[in-house]
Amino acid sequence: GAGVSQSPSNKVTEKGKDVELRCDPISGHTALYWYRQSLGQGLEFLIYFQGNSAPDKSGLPSDRFSAERTGGSVSTLTIQRTQQEDSAVYLCASSPRPSVSSYNEQFFGPGTRLTVL
Amino acid sequence: GDSVTQMEGPVTLSEEAFLTINCTYTATGYPSLFWYVQYPGEGLQLLLKATKADDKGSNKGFEATYRKETTSFHLEKGSVQVSDSAVYFCALKGDFGNEKLTFGTGTRLTIIP
Repeated sequence: GAGVSQSPSNKVTEKGKDVELRCDPISGHTALYWYRQSLGQGLEFLIYFQGNSAPDKSGLPSDRFSAERTGGSVSTLTIQRTQQEDSAVYLCASSPRPSVSSYNEQFFGPGTRLTVL
Repeated sequence: GDSVTQMEGPVTLSEEAFLTINCTYTATGYPSLFWYVQYPGEGLQLLLKATKADDKGSNKGFEATYRKETTSFHLEKGSVQVSDSAVYFCALKGDFGNEKLTFGTGTRLTIIP
């Protein structure tokens, strides 16, 4: 079946503009994650959605970053007033519902490369 | 908080050489440990995992053993191939309910024929 898809694959924007990044998880996966891969910081967790529960936003670096997940499926990561340090590859992952007895693999999308000029 | 320290690269080896990429971690409770791989032009993929102490994860000739006493999860392969050239990430996940992955900085591996 189809994997995790992300759009756009590349985004170039000017400092101060807002951007929206989209993630389509694997059908049936209830958990969705956003990570950021940058040269200075490596791969870092941003936010986690699980079903209808309140999201874990503990990794969002500032209040310029927000994310939502509509209908328990598609997610949008929004960065307001972009800064040059926001330049990175933004990765989305999805997994089935986590359980105590097993680890459910996180399947990653190809990422969106964001460049802030 | 949780953290992963990974051997920095880049690492360049000849084909059929023995590979070790070191990984140590700091975590509370009983984390699960993973190696992810990112081949050129591709997305991040799970290579292997271990969910409790003394477990050995293996896949595609790679192995890693979860050593709680040394808080380590070193990646090894006995004979590398050119197709193993990629970036390798060590990662951990905390106890159930803490679902985020904490990654190491990644190690770029290049295998020359």
